[in-house]
Amino acid sequence: DVKVTQSSRYLVKRTGEKVFLECVQDMDHENMFWYRQDPGLGLRLIYFSYDVKMKEKGDIPEGYSVSREKKERFSLILESASTNQTSMYLCASITGGSGYNEQFFGPGTRLTVL
Amino acid sequence: DQQVKQNSPSLSVQEGRISILNCDYTNSMFDYFLWYKKYPAEGPTFLISISSIKDKNEDGRFTVFLNKSAKHLSLHIVPSQPGDSAVYFCAASGTGTASKLTFGTGTRLQVTL
Repeated sequence: DVKVTQSSRYLVKRTGEKVFLECVQDMDHENMFWYRQDPGLGLRLIYFSYDVKMKEKGDIPEGYSVSREKKERFSLILESASTNQTSMYLCASITGGSGYNEQFFGPGTRLTVL
Repeated sequence: DQQVKQNSPSLSVQEGRISILNCDYTNSMFDYFLWYKKYPAEGPTFLISISSIKDKNEDGRFTVFLNKSAKHLSLHIVPSQPGDSAVYFCAASGTGTASKLTFGTGTRLQVTL
C-alpha cells in the first residue's frame, strides 16, 4: 500500500519563526510536490522536485524554500512565517517516466501562524 | 489566470440521484485529466482519470466525460451515496509536464438522505 506521510497534522507557529514541514514517501517515486490548499483557491503548487537535490518553483514560491537531500524526503521551509501562510499544506509524490499516473497525497499539515 | 475552473463551489444532491460535477479548462496543451476527492482533514485521493484520446471513462459508479472542443469535462456519480459527500477537485496535466498537475478550485458535494 502506497504511503505519503507528513511530519505533523497540526502546527501552530508565531510570526517570524522558521518552519519546517517534512514529507516522506515509501514508493521510490522520483517526483515530489508541495501544495497549499485555501478555501476558494483550490490546490496551488508551491515547489516540486524531479530528483534528489533538484527543485523547481511552482506557481506561488514566494516566502518558501525546499530541500530534497534524499529521494524519499521532501521538506518545505518557511524562512520567516507570516500570517498569510496560514493554510493546509499537502505533499504529493508520483513516479517518473513518460506515462501518465496519479499523484499520491499525504494527509496534510494544517499550519496556523499567529 | 485560472487555467482549470470549477464554477460551482457547491452542489447538493439527494441520495440515489445523479451528481454531475463540471470542470472547464483553457490550456489546449492539457491532455490528461483527473478527479480527486477530498474529505476534511485528509489528503486528496485519486478517483478517476481520462486521457484526451478518449471521451469517456467509467469506473463503477463514477464516469468522466471529456469534450475537447468545448474544453470541458464532467464527473457523473450514479447513484450518489452519503459517503460521496466531499470536495471534488478537477486536475489537468499537459504534454511534457506529465507529472505536474494544475488543479481547479473544487466543488463541495453534499449528498442528502
